[in-house]
Amino acid sequence: DAGVTQSPTHLIKTRGQQVTLRCSPKSGHDTVSWYQQALGQGPQFIFQYYEEEERQRGNFPDRFSGHQFPNYSSELNVNALLLGDSALYLCASRRGRATDTQYFGPGTRLTVL
Amino acid sequence: SQQGEEDPQALSIQEGENATMNCSYKTSINNLQWYRQNSGRGLVHLILIRSNEREKHSGRLRVTLDTSKKSSSLLITASRAADTASYFCATGGFVSNFNKFYFGSGTKLNVKP
Repeated sequence: DAGVTQSPTHLIKTRGQQVTLRCSPKSGHDTVSWYQQALGQGPQFIFQYYEEEERQRGNFPDRFSGHQFPNYSSELNVNALLLGDSALYLCASRRGRATDTQYFGPGTRLTVL
Repeated sequence: SQQGEEDPQALSIQEGENATMNCSYKTSINNLQWYRQNSGRGLVHLILIRSNEREKHSGRLRVTLDTSKKSSSLLITASRAADTASYFCATGGFVSNFNKFYFGSGTKLNVKP
């Protein structure tokens, strides 16, 4: 049983570009959350998807958007990249919107030059 | 902003010693969880304690929760070099029928062989 997978592993972009990160949840999971983790900091909640809709959002600008597909996989899109967007982006999945325990993928390391 | 704050920020001990990390939070919670992260990769779920529980054990891990003081502690007994990692607490609470999680900034544990 595969866990949460994310692609790509690493990504280098320049300021102003756009990026798309992908996440496949653990089998049987239907709720996907995205987090941004800057170096030396804890993960910060970006948003959460359930039934193909964004249900909750953290304190992130509209440059950060997402999508959830019918197979529960998800994408995170970031437009007009800034240097400060350099971080590890983590995807987490769980079964059901009210479940306590979520499982994390290995993350995508984004570097903005 | 993040809900939980871990203390200390860094901890260095000898193999075989016990390691204690603390987490404080600000608002009421439904549950509190501890995660481990190795070398900036994905987070691994360690243990969950609900708001109506005071103590929980899992192998060499012991977690306590004091909701009156809004604090939790994680004790790792008989530490091993393989326990070297960053440890994060995450508070969970229901917002609009969805479980939402906030992470602290983490404690970096170094276990010297």
